[in-house]
Amino acid sequence: GENVEQHPSTLSVQEGDSAVIKCTYSDSASNYFPWYKQELGKRPQLIIDIRSNVGEKKDQRIAVTLNKTAKHFSLHITETQPEDSAVYFCAGLQGGSEKLVFGKGTKLTVNP
Amino acid sequence: KAGVTQTPRYLIKTRGQQVTLSCSPISGHRSVSWYQQTPGQGLQFLFEYFSETQRNKGNFPGRFSGRQFSNSRSEMNVSTLELGDSALYLCASRPGVSGNTIYFGEGSWLTVV
Repeated sequence: GENVEQHPSTLSVQEGDSAVIKCTYSDSASNYFPWYKQELGKRPQLIIDIRSNVGEKKDQRIAVTLNKTAKHFSLHITETQPEDSAVYFCAGLQGGSEKLVFGKGTKLTVNP
Repeated sequence: KAGVTQTPRYLIKTRGQQVTLSCSPISGHRSVSWYQQTPGQGLQFLFEYFSETQRNKGNFPGRFSGRQFSNSRSEMNVSTLELGDSALYLCASRPGVSGNTIYFGEGSWLTVV
């Protein structure tokens, strides 16, 4: 089955800097990769997603890149702000079973 | 459109008891999945239901069970509660089971004492 590894587990940046979170997946049949943001005490919310037929997708300060050959995808946040502080989860949709498998999360702290 | 609704939001149970959690998906969504979230383990998949049938199951003991009703509402049950079952239980829904984004509810916080 699908296995998703996420790094780093914690990330601290200064306001205005960029943050990058990386994930690798094992199932070459996986074709959908969403990213969720979970603020303290709240539900995980989708912030961006990418499908396997696309190499990059951008939405304002957030972008996701996908390398199908290497089986890894990354979240890029530019011009970080304190409100970006949260736990971020990547996920991969396992081919066949269509089960969404999550990474263990990255706690991002943006220092003012 | 109302989001995914979970009840109860908070509950405290004693070891050995059983608990039932409820989830109402977004209107029109027929797939409901359940996740357990703990600080050290992230989001762990429990099971997914579609059209009243369990489609996928995670690696949890048989004490964890679920079901889905004809209106797509779902319940999960944990029997013989253990201290380690203390967690946030998240329900998520999506329209179907193929490549669709899942949307989470606020979760049910379970504390086992």
